[in-house]
Amino acid sequence: AQSVTQLDSHVSVSEGTPVLLRCNYSSSYSPSLFWYVQHPNKGLQLLLKYTSAATLVKGINGFEAEFKKSETSFHLTKPSAHMSDAAEYFCVVSGPGGYNKLIFGAGTRLAVHP
Amino acid sequence: DAGVIQSPRHEVTEMGQEVTLRCKPISGHNSLFWYRQTMMRGLELLIYFNNNVPIDDSGMPEDRFSAKMPNASFSTLKIQPSEPRDSAVYFCASSLKGQGGYGYTFGSGTRLTVV
Repeated sequence: AQSVTQLDSHVSVSEGTPVLLRCNYSSSYSPSLFWYVQHPNKGLQLLLKYTSAATLVKGINGFEAEFKKSETSFHLTKPSAHMSDAAEYFCVVSGPGGYNKLIFGAGTRLAVHP
Repeated sequence: DAGVIQSPRHEVTEMGQEVTLRCKPISGHNSLFWYRQTMMRGLELLIYFNNNVPIDDSGMPEDRFSAKMPNASFSTLKIQPSEPRDSAVYFCASSLKGQGGYGYTFGSGTRLTVV
């Protein structure tokens, strides 16, 4: 079965410092992986996606993620946090079958302090 | 492209009343998903459709919940009768079937409060 585990429920960083949000996945086949962001009282926005092409994936707003099959990880990083990055972030894996069902992690709330 | 459109944005209703949430997917998308988000349970997939046909409704919590997709451009999620524990944000999302790499496009959600 496909699943994702977000290793931290809360992450707090200072503005200008690096961001690391950790995600491990479990999949019986080569997965598609995604990161979504949700700002307070907003819908979910796709940050980036991995679909078996380049293992280092660049997304919007300076975020990137690296697919590491040996570690079954897909961690999200950003070199320098901005106040506007404060939000909840979801790691997502595609489910089985051809219906594009996505399975969401529990989320990581990122706080950015001045 | 207007994206996925949900209505209403906010709904406050009394316990026992019927509630209908509406969703218009992106034109050309053939998969549609209904999610519920609460603090306690996070994001839960309620049901999804492919080509207007319900594929998996195992996430629908009770018989009080029902969803329909009469055509490719419209879907409803109905709760009858509503209860306070149904209070949540309900999201609709659409996608292209088989295009696993494309992810979903989410609507802005409907915040439901049942008092």
